[in-house]
Amino acid sequence: NAGVTQTPKFQVLKTGQSMTLQCAQDMNHEYMSWYRQDPGMGLRLIHYSVGAGITDQGEVPNGYNVSRSTTEDFPLRLLSAAPSQTSVYFCASSYGAGSYNEQFFGPGTRLTVL
Amino acid sequence: GENVEQHPSTLSVQEGDSAVIKCTYSDSASNYFPWYKQELGKRPQLIIDIRSNVGEKKDQRIAVTLNKTAKHFSLHITETQPEDSAVYFCAASIINNDMRFGAGTRLTVKP
Repeated sequence: NAGVTQTPKFQVLKTGQSMTLQCAQDMNHEYMSWYRQDPGMGLRLIHYSVGAGITDQGEVPNGYNVSRSTTEDFPLRLLSAAPSQTSVYFCASSYGAGSYNEQFFGPGTRLTVL
Repeated sequence: GENVEQHPSTLSVQEGDSAVIKCTYSDSASNYFPWYKQELGKRPQLIIDIRSNVGEKKDQRIAVTLNKTAKHFSLHITETQPEDSAVYFCAASIINNDMRFGAGTRLTVKP
């Protein structure tokens, strides 16, 4: 199993550009989530999904869109990038929504918005 | 929504000493409290977790305690080793949905 994969690893955008961060898992996990990590602020939940076709907002959803058309994929879209979105983005997944199972994190995407 | 506070933000100990990291949470409905370790440049990884129906859980040199009344939980690492040096995050959620993390504690274990 590849586990949780994310692409790209690094990305530089200009203000106003849009892009999609890709996340995929091959563990048949129902639950998937996106976090951003900023220095001194820990991990903040952006959006999460408890299964295909179901998404919900987390703590900091503004400026981001998600969709979940398959169990495996959970892309994160930045609609119009802003310097405040410069961060490291982590995707995570766990077996069974509504459970106490471990979240497995992807390797992260480091995004810089100029 | 849930708010998790974590202290201290940095912690330095001598090898072999114990380390304690404390977290408080705000939502009394939270029932799942995991701890994650993140080494420099790597992804967070779960090291231990506890559910609200348990007061303490141990796994070799690490333990977690939970006080539901006071809404705080703590991570205890005994006999620290240099490889324990990392950033540790506590988190709280209702089951594992909509998880909120603390700001992290940078632990340094000096040989």
